[in-house]
Amino acid sequence: QVQLQESGPGLVKPSETLSLTCTVSGDSMTGYYWSWIRQPPGKGLEWVAYIFNGGDTNYNPSLKSRLTISQDTSNNQFSLKLTFVTAADTAIYYCARGGYTEIDLWGQGTLVTVSS
Amino acid sequence: DIVMTQSPDSLAVSLGERATISCKSSQTIFYSSNNENYLAWYQHRPGQPPRLLIHWASTRASGVPDRFSGSGSGTDFTLTISSLQAEDVAVYYCQQYYTTPTFGQGTRLEIK
Repeated sequence: QVQLQESGPGLVKPSETLSLTCTVSGDSMTGYYWSWIRQPPGKGLEWVAYIFNGGDTNYNPSLKSRLTISQDTSNNQFSLKLTFVTAADTAIYYCARGGYTEIDLWGQGTLVTVSS
Repeated sequence: DIVMTQSPDSLAVSLGERATISCKSSQTIFYSSNNENYLAWYQHRPGQPPRLLIHWASTRASGVPDRFSGSGSGTDFTLTISSLQAEDVAVYYCQQYYTTPTFGQGTRLEIK
């Protein structure tokens, strides 16, 4: 059974960099797209980025200048970096499988709060 | 970006009754070369991650009860729950993957 688990700091200071990692267990990452999606408190879902085979990436245009998604296939992980965060980046961040088409598997999500 | 607009924003339906949620895209998400609509529906229960219900506009995901169905084409889509159960209380989202993915704003479904 494939499972995804997000990890990273729950609190980030304004203007700093948010860094999250998703660990995939139960299957290889090869051949799948892997995404990050977020949900600000009280709001809806927002797709953030995806990666495929370590090189094919796509970013939400509204966040693109601040985003980097990367993949470490040998450790079955993929990661997200979001620079120069503000309070508007406070959200539950989900890692997930898919994004190029449907998103068929989600992690439990991790709350990241941006505050000094 | 393709904008996805759902209606209504919230909905209250009696147990056993039908629930219908609409989703409209700002441009077509039908790809004629493969005759597919690039649309998915998700269920998001409180405290849980979202769950894929429907993809390609009308194909139920594995393990999804057959009371859930999706229909529509082009720019207009519908999620129907034929007989509402208590466990269906959730927020429902549509999402297009024709271009860079975007979600609708969500529809909150409650029991009347």
